[in-house]
Amino acid sequence: DTGVSQNPRHKITKRGQNVTFRCDPISEHNRLYWYRQTLGQGPEFLTYFQNEAQLEKSRLLSDRFSAERPKGSFSTLEIQRTEQGDSAMYLCASSLSHEQFFGPGTRLTVL
Amino acid sequence: AQSVTQLDSQVPVFEEAPVELRCNYSSSVSVYLFWYVQYPNQGLQLLLKYLSGSTLVKGINGFEAEFNKSQTSFHLRKPSVHISDTAEYFCAVTVRGGGNKLTFGTGTQLKVEL
Repeated sequence: DTGVSQNPRHKITKRGQNVTFRCDPISEHNRLYWYRQTLGQGPEFLTYFQNEAQLEKSRLLSDRFSAERPKGSFSTLEIQRTEQGDSAMYLCASSLSHEQFFGPGTRLTVL
Repeated sequence: AQSVTQLDSQVPVFEEAPVELRCNYSSSVSVYLFWYVQYPNQGLQLLLKYLSGSTLVKGINGFEAEFNKSQTSFHLRKPSVHISDTAEYFCAVTVRGGGNKLTFGTGTQLKVEL
């Protein structure tokens, strides 16, 4: 069990650029979650997958955001035409039952 | 929809003193409750969880929490804190039988001083 990993750990981009983050969950976990955390706030749910199916998306997930989990293993979160308001920590978590295991996060800074 | 309130944004405490971090939740259906800890520039680590059974749950690092259904609370306690407990603590809920997405509070910064 190597834990949940996320890449990159940090990303600095200019406004208007596209970015993609990757999450590798714990291998036997069938559920995978994405959250966003801004400074001074708790994480906010974005979306989750059960195996390869995306079962729920938050209203926070605008049309510029898309997430995939093509083979039910790793997942990617893409943000198109980034805005300064997208600057945040993006957290990934995986689970088999009730307990979610979190990765270290990807910190996005949009200049 | 469910919500979580952590009224204390910061809690300063001296080392070896007891501490309580407060958490209240709101939900129209039954929930599971969690406390997570976040150290600087790291992800979240589960401290403890309440799923069912005994309302007093014990977690890692000497922390415990008590589920109080009538007061819709799940306060976190530790009888004697250490400098290494300095971190951000988040209370979270998820709906029973749902997709297990977590709803978090805004967090409490615990600062342990010598």
